[in-house]
Amino acid sequence: SQTIHQWPATLVQPVGSPLSLECTVEGTSNPNLYWYRQAAGRGLQLLFYSVGIGQISSEVPQNLSASRPQDRQFILSSKKLLLSDSGFYLCAWTVGASGYTFGSGTRLTVV
Amino acid sequence: AQSVTQLGSHVSVSEGALVLLRCNYSSSVPPYLFWYVQYPNQGLQLLLKYTTGATLVKGINGFEAEFKKSETSFHLTKPSAHMSDAAEYFCAVSVRDYKLSFGAGTTVTVRA
Repeated sequence: SQTIHQWPATLVQPVGSPLSLECTVEGTSNPNLYWYRQAAGRGLQLLFYSVGIGQISSEVPQNLSASRPQDRQFILSSKKLLLSDSGFYLCAWTVGASGYTFGSGTRLTVV
Repeated sequence: AQSVTQLGSHVSVSEGALVLLRCNYSSSVPPYLFWYVQYPNQGLQLLLKYTTGATLVKGINGFEAEFKKSETSFHLTKPSAHMSDAAEYFCAVSVRDYKLSFGAGTTVTVRA
């Protein structure tokens, strides 16, 4: 069966520190992968998506970057976190028009 | 570009009453439409989807939605609310690039 793993579940980081969130997918090949952010009281904002290894598209300019070193691995990074980077980060995958399958999310608090 | 508008950020219903969540979309090409549910501090779970074919779509947990092209709507309903339906619900649309655009969400509370 297809599963998606996202970690860590919660993270508290100081301003200026680096960030690395990882997402891996099992049970499928060549998925489209996505990073979304959900800020408090706001909807879901698409940050990055990838249609293949090394192919990253950024939806909004920001302090974050993404990488896809393997077919089923998607990493969200930052060199120096800002307070505004706090939020709930969600990884998702899809193959075709089946709809997204989401990970369980990472609650990031920047202090 | 496609977009979604969810009417009403909060809906309160009595247990056993009808749940109706409204969603209107904008798309220049035939869309794919989705409803997701999110419980606190969890990821989103797919309730149902419309891609092609039958316009009345049945999903999990007794929910259903009807695609009405003439009204550009995809409203979500459940005949009888249960306490476990308290959550946030998101309508979403995509086209051939499969990128989902989400509505702002509707929080449902269920009164005993």
